Amino acid sequence: SQKIEQNSEALNIQEGKTATLTCNYTNYSPAYLQWYRQDPGRGPVFLLLIRENEKEKRKERLKVTFDTTLKQSLFHITASQPADSATYLCALEGGSSNTGKLIFGQGTTLQVKP
Amino acid sequence: DTAVSQTPKYLVTQMGNDKSIKCEQNLGHDTMYWYKQDSKKFLKIMFSYNNKELIINETVPNRFSPKSPDKAHLNLHINSLELGDSAVYFCASSPQDAGNEQFFGPGTRLTVL
Repeated sequence: SQKIEQNSEALNIQEGKTATLTCNYTNYSPAYLQWYRQDPGRGPVFLLLIRENEKEKRKERLKVTFDTTLKQSLFHITASQPADSATYLCALEGGSSNTGKLIFGQGTTLQVKP
Repeated sequence: DTAVSQTPKYLVTQMGNDKSIKCEQNLGHDTMYWYKQDSKKFLKIMFSYNNKELIINETVPNRFSPKSPDKAHLNLHINSLELGDSAVYFCASSPQDAGNEQFFGPGTRLTVL
């Protein structure tokens, strides 16, 4: 069955460092991979989308890589700030059906300390 | 202006009751979704509608029935509520059904006693 794994342990880093979050998947061939941010008590907020034929995508301090051979995406936040503290969710879409159905990982909680 | 809104924000009810959650989006999107986020924070899709037509219907008990009166609204009705239905329910919308970011509502926390 399809499986998505993100670091289940919380990630604690110092302000100014680069945070790297991992998303691994099995038994799936996604057409798209998305990253969302979720703050406590709020709905997820879209950050970045990367297509299966793209290796890397950047947006301001964010960078996403997508390796369909390794079945892995890495999400980087450079020059991290305490305001970046949140839970980050990766989501896969597409494959055999292209219906907008997102399959989410369980999320990784990032804590950036000043 | 709120892009995707849900009501109510909190819903506390007894087992066996029937309840509804409403969702509205003012983004002009064609596709709307319902997700369930359980206590372990897993976010799982339940339904999606594209221009009032049901597109995705995951393995959800038929006690859950979505209704889309128009493409800006997708409501979720739940019959005979059970303890295991306690979760946060999120509505979302997107411009079309594939390859687009989804805009999520603030969530409705349902507690079944």
